[in-house]
Parts: sequence; structure tokens; C-alpha cells
Amino acid sequence: TQLLEQSPQFLSIQEGENLTVYCNSSSVFSSLQWYRQEPGEGPVLLVTVVTGGEVKKLKRLTFQFGDARKDSSLHITAAQPGDTGLYLCAGTNTGNQFYFGTGTSLTVIP
Amino acid sequence: KAGVTQTPRYLIKTRGQQVTLSCSPISGHRSVSWYQQTPGQGLQFLFEYFSETQRNKGNFPGRFSGRQFSNSRSEMNVSTLELGDSALYLCASSGTQVTYEQYFGPGTRLTVT
Repeated sequence: TQLLEQSPQFLSIQEGENLTVYCNSSSVFSSLQWYRQEPGEGPVLLVTVVTGGEVKKLKRLTFQFGDARKDSSLHITAAQPGDTGLYLCAGTNTGNQFYFGTGTSLTVIP
Repeated sequence: KAGVTQTPRYLIKTRGQQVTLSCSPISGHRSVSWYQQTPGQGLQFLFEYFSETQRNKGNFPGRFSGRQFSNSRSEMNVSTLELGDSALYLCASSGTQVTYEQYFGPGTRLTVT
């Protein structure tokens, strides 16, 4: 059983479209991060959210932490081919255990 | 600051052999974690070391072991390699004990034939 479930698992969209990726859990997390990984490389940290309801923006990317700190979402506006990659959420639960999500593979078609 | 480095980047081994992978964390980071990534299983946590002590361990057989040195550099060893051990092995370092933000190296691609 995965503690952090991401949806969708795969996403293929046209350049310029918007998309949202979800990261859900039944457990409460004290902090949650989003990473992007390109083929053959290690994941790169995009953002950390720690407060329930928190919203952070990174250019065209908007990250939100759920009010109950059990879920998070990543919204990309006007996707570009450079956004292609594997998006991973990860979090630390209240027991200080660290988990990675199941991953969402995004392909943006020019 | 220099990032996390891993050596070697690519490795081909034969079933039954053993292998040692190396990781140098970001300067000042005392936590080093190891992950195995495969297309079918995703990113799986192997273990974490902090100040030379294994602090957390994932659900992997005893063939997978690691250690951390006083300079925070870490090594991971896999003995009696199996075909299923073929994967990208990622090392990550962390400088925080609260949010556990992970900074990853480029990984070592291990192929077992």
C-alpha cells in the first residue's frame, strides 16, 4: 500500500494546455514536497509546503497543500515541452517517516 | 555549493557478483538516503544514514547494505547480485531534520546480466 497516491499516473497534453496533478493520502503530513525528474537524472526539488492551505507559486507552477495536510496538488498553466518529466510528491508524516508518491509522468507535445 | 555526486554513473555486473556505489553529499549535509528506482516499482527507499548511523531502513533484503563515513560520504553495497537488482540507484542528502528536503545526485545506472 502506497502512503502517497498520485493521479493521474500518466498525462499527455498539447503545449499551452493547463493541467493538475494530485497527491493524496489518508495520513497527515507535517510537510510535503514536489520534485521533477528527467530521464536518467535524479529528482530535483521544486517546492516545500508546510502549512495547511498553503499555496506557493513558481512561475507557471502552483502548489497547494490541503487544509487537513493530507493532500496536495500541482497545477501547471500553459504547459511547455520543457515541463515534460516525472513529477513526484513526497512528504514527512507526523512520525517523521519520509515517503515518496507513486509519480505522474507528464509529456507535453509541441 | 557543489551538488550531490555519485560514482560510478554506469555499471554492468554479472549475476552473483557484488557491487559498491559511492555518494558524496552536499557539504554540511549529514543525512544521506539511498533509493532504488525501477520502471515497475517506482522510487523505493533503501536506507538513511545520519552521522554514521543507520536511522531508517526500507524493506529490502540483507544483501543491500550501506555505511556512512565521518565526512558524511556514504557507500552502498549489494552482494550476490540478481537480475532484478538492475535499476537506477539514487543517493540524496538532506540538511534539515524537519522537512527532510532531499537533494539528489544523478544516480548510478546498474545493469545486472
